[in-house]
Amino acid sequence: AQSVSQHNHHVILSEAASLELGCNYSYGGTVNLFWYVQYPGQHLQLLLKYFSGDPLVKGIKGFEAEFIKSKFSFNLRKPSVQWSDTAEYFCAAGYQGGKLIFGQGTELSVKP
Amino acid sequence: DVKVTQSSRYLVKRTGEKVFLECVQDMDHENMFWYRQDPGLGLRLIYFSYDVKMKEKGDIPEGYSVSREKKERFSLILESASTNQTSMYLCASSLTRGSNQPQHFGDGTRLSIL
Repeated sequence: AQSVSQHNHHVILSEAASLELGCNYSYGGTVNLFWYVQYPGQHLQLLLKYFSGDPLVKGIKGFEAEFIKSKFSFNLRKPSVQWSDTAEYFCAAGYQGGKLIFGQGTELSVKP
Repeated sequence: DVKVTQSSRYLVKRTGEKVFLECVQDMDHENMFWYRQDPGLGLRLIYFSYDVKMKEKGDIPEGYSVSREKKERFSLILESASTNQTSMYLCASSLTRGSNQPQHFGDGTRLSIL
């Protein structure tokens, strides 16, 4: 069965620290990859997406992600986090038929 | 900008009640989805729909049904609510069935079954 795994359940960082959140997906043919963010009390928003081409994709708010096909990974990065990045982050894989398979989510807490 | 509107942010119901959760999208999207979100489990797909009057089971359809009578509206029904259905419910829509289509989410309904 198709699946998406996020390695970290809860990450705590200080402001200005660098961030990397891991995401691995199971192989299922053509796959498109997404990172979503859910700020406290808000709806899920799309951070970035990868379909093809350059494996390093840039999203909103200074986030980027790297697709490594050989490792089935799509890790999210940000060089310097801010207190306002405190949120829950979800990795998702899009499969044929338009369904998304979500990871378990990673809660990020940034200390001011 | 896509707007997905869920009828209630918070809802409290009793065991055995029939519960309706409503979702409306304003961008003429073909696809609509219902998820439940639980801590540590991420989002799990309950049902989805590719077109009016069409529905497909997701990963956890037991105890739920759906209705899509109009393209813009997708309803989730708990036939006989139980306490293990206490959760956050999220509705989403996407433009087409392509695997590269991002989904747009509503604010969620936090449902408590007493």
